Amino acid sequence: DTAVSQTPKYLVTQMGNDKSIKCEQNLGHDTMYWYKQDSKKFLKIMFSYNNKELIINETVPNRFSPKSPDKAHLNLHINSLELGDSAVYFCASSQEHEAFFGQGTRLTVV
Amino acid sequence: AQSVAQPEDQVNVAEGNPLTVKCTYSVSGNPYLFWYVQYPNRGLQFLLKYITGDNLVKGSYGFEAEFNKSQTSFHLKKPSALVSDSALYFCAVRVTYNFNKFYFGSGTKLNVKP
Repeated sequence: DTAVSQTPKYLVTQMGNDKSIKCEQNLGHDTMYWYKQDSKKFLKIMFSYNNKELIINETVPNRFSPKSPDKAHLNLHINSLELGDSAVYFCASSQEHEAFFGQGTRLTVV
Repeated sequence: AQSVAQPEDQVNVAEGNPLTVKCTYSVSGNPYLFWYVQYPNRGLQFLLKYITGDNLVKGSYGFEAEFNKSQTSFHLKKPSALVSDSALYFCAVRVTYNFNKFYFGSGTKLNVKP
């Protein structure tokens, strides 16, 4: 019954690899987001989608490519992973007011 | 530019004492204001929100917050802290003309000591 679910929860990979993180929400929300939380716990928006359309792209490197096959799903694909990509990535969804967050994906690039 | 400030990296309080976690914001337009809590290795959990109406809003786990328009603040409060309240707290704002973005503060670590 999880409202916003992300997979995987942990991801350890080598530099240069390509990886994907999946996100699904069962709340019927129109808007979904990807946020990055760095080691100092700062939360920075990466992307926002509304009804499968990209609304916000916050100067994220082209190696990051979100894809929304339908409004309940927002996946994040990352090419050529770098050490600096290590962080916790949160998916979220919202409708009218507050956002609901997934449990996060801890990405470690070695 | 829109921004949210949480001036304290850390707040220490004894169990049973009242707690306050501060938040100020700077936005153009009317703000929607939120508090979230993050426990270790967990996602952000919604605590409470101010949209309109009464300036004092009550939320989960006995928390409340007061919207002060003149001081552009939205401080989080609880009359009696519990050890289990120890966590990372984030203030966030969403402006009414741009519903697609939440601006988060830098977070405040709340330590409640027995």
